[in-house]
Amino acid sequence: LAKTTQPISMDSYEGQEVNITCSHNNIATNDYITWYQQFPSQGPRFIIQGYKTKVTNEVASLFIPADRKSSTLSLPRVSLSDTAVYYCLVGYTNAGKSTFGDGTTLTVKP
Amino acid sequence: EAEVAQSPRYKITEKSQAVAFWCDPISGHATLYWYRQILGQGPELLVQFQDESVVDDSQLPKDRFSAERLKGVDSTLKIQPAELGDSAMYLCASSFTRDSEAFFGQGTRLTVV
Repeated sequence: LAKTTQPISMDSYEGQEVNITCSHNNIATNDYITWYQQFPSQGPRFIIQGYKTKVTNEVASLFIPADRKSSTLSLPRVSLSDTAVYYCLVGYTNAGKSTFGDGTTLTVKP
Repeated sequence: EAEVAQSPRYKITEKSQAVAFWCDPISGHATLYWYRQILGQGPELLVQFQDESVVDDSQLPKDRFSAERLKGVDSTLKIQPAELGDSAMYLCASSFTRDSEAFFGQGTRLTVV
């Protein structure tokens, strides 16, 4: 399974757009990229998944360049409640068989 | 909205004792996972079930950990005997198929003293 590298932590302010980049140089042809969000004392929650180019849903966008060696999770206009750990996973379409790294701790300040 | 149910939410046990965690997946979900998450780290897959069968337990410490899903619905993860290093959050997740999105429960926080 492809190894991922993310920043350990990021700070932002309410109302700003936040971009979290994940590196996955060894991504395989059939691998998908999935992002999860986790609040303290809760299980991870699926945010978004993509294979190439751009995917957008009601909470986030996922940008994947043509070489697929990295991806960027974009959170528009963050609020205090977006303070959480964000995990980038590369592998199967279901995160159950992918590997979680240590994630990026996002802190949103007022 | 359907959820993965886990109990208990918190458990404190003495080392060398036995402890068990229960998980009830979302109805109709054939695939069930157990994870261990040490504080400050990402979840680590321990075991995966497809219906009642184990399909991956390569990361399960089988000398002390066991997992079962006898009727292919709810599942139990057991540790016997518990060690101090087992203190962690134990998460259960389920998905409709092996290739579909996994939904996580709130976890059981285990403290071994």
